[in-house]
Amino acid sequence: EDQVTQSPEALRLQEGESSSLNCSYTVSGLRGLFWYRQDPGKGPEFLFTLYSAGEEKEKERLKATLTKKESFLHITAPKPEDSATYLCAGPLGTGTASKLTFGTGTRLQVTL
Amino acid sequence: DAVVTQSPTHLIKTRGQQVTLRCSPKSGHDTVSWYQQALGQGPQFIFQYYEEEERQRGNFPDRFSGHQFPNYSSELNVNALLLGDSALYLCASSHGQGTNIQYFGAGTRLSVL
Repeated sequence: EDQVTQSPEALRLQEGESSSLNCSYTVSGLRGLFWYRQDPGKGPEFLFTLYSAGEEKEKERLKATLTKKESFLHITAPKPEDSATYLCAGPLGTGTASKLTFGTGTRLQVTL
Repeated sequence: DAVVTQSPTHLIKTRGQQVTLRCSPKSGHDTVSWYQQALGQGPQFIFQYYEEEERQRGNFPDRFSGHQFPNYSSELNVNALLLGDSALYLCASSHGQGTNIQYFGAGTRLSVL
């Protein structure tokens, strides 16, 4: 069964303290791994999509990487405005499916 | 920038009632997916509409139904509401049926009393 597992559930960092969030998955035939950011009471905001092992993408202080079994979201020198829940998701099932299976997210809090 | 629009933003209903939520996709998108997100959980896939037909469905009962209009907008209907239906309902739009990026609206917060 396709599953997406994220760790840690919550992470508290001081401003400037770099860290990584993990997303491990068991998806039949990787067809994309998506990272989203979600602020409280809002919908998920698209960050990155990765399709191949070894692929990396960057946006400001965030860098997403992908291996055959997991993805990491690296946060370099975070700021308080990076505080949010970070969700990863993968396509569920086979065929033309574009429906996404989400992990439960990592709640990131960045303090001064 | 305005992408996916959902209405209403908040809704309060009582058990047994019916509710309709609405979604307008991003310009140029023809596929709409609906998700339910309980507090502290990731979004759970309900169903997806493409070319005015339900193409895929998650593990949700028949009380959950939907519709897509010729302009690609969509509705989610939930009948016989239960307390457990209280959640944030998210609409996501994308182009086509492949593993394309899904863009989410801000959601409708449904409270069932």
